[in-house]
Amino acid sequence: DAKTTQPTSMDCAEGRAANLPCNHSTISGNEYVYWYRQIHSQGPQYIIHGLKNNETNEMASLIITEDRKSSTLILPHATLRDTAVYYCIVRTPSTGNQFYFGTGTSLTVIP
Amino acid sequence: GAVVSQHPSRVICKSGTSVKIECRSLDFQATTMFWYRQFPKKSLMLMATSNEGSKATYEQGVEKDKFLINHASLTLSTLTVTSAHPEDSSFYICSASSTSSYEQYFGPGTRLTVT
Repeated sequence: DAKTTQPTSMDCAEGRAANLPCNHSTISGNEYVYWYRQIHSQGPQYIIHGLKNNETNEMASLIITEDRKSSTLILPHATLRDTAVYYCIVRTPSTGNQFYFGTGTSLTVIP
Repeated sequence: GAVVSQHPSRVICKSGTSVKIECRSLDFQATTMFWYRQFPKKSLMLMATSNEGSKATYEQGVEKDKFLINHASLTLSTLTVTSAHPEDSSFYICSASSTSSYEQYFGPGTRLTVT
């Protein structure tokens, strides 16, 4: 079962930062937070992941709260091509590394 | 980055027939592959986990005799939907990971329509 909750949908103006929240209040100490996105009728695309520290790559930044019960994915300058469903997933190393997807957040970037 | 392909991208079959979907990791060795299905406007649902050379582990509620999974090599896994029915129509997506990196790399998906 998915261990995350996300808002169903969000809008963001093109060029502005998109901040997507995720709640994972039951996360355990060895569980990682992963973010993927899915553009319509395509396979999910990896964005970023983290354990405790904040992470940044060429696509996004991941901010994890100190208690690790929530995180925020930040797309610094949203473009129309960032319109997609964004999934926050908790990976459990001890049970085979399966991903259980929640409902995700449908992000619409508005011109 | 790691690339995963699926074949076919779309398939239409008649009720009662079987259809095979292939998932390949093109530039890395996939020790583990995963199969998901996705209904319209819904999230991905994990069907099974398959490790190379061993039997797949199915999620609760997924019929192993209906959805046959084979992971015979480190670059290929197949999903066979046996005796397909219209309710099996869905978007089937595979992913692959290696022991060196636990990210899952997803294929582009296969749209199955059973008539």
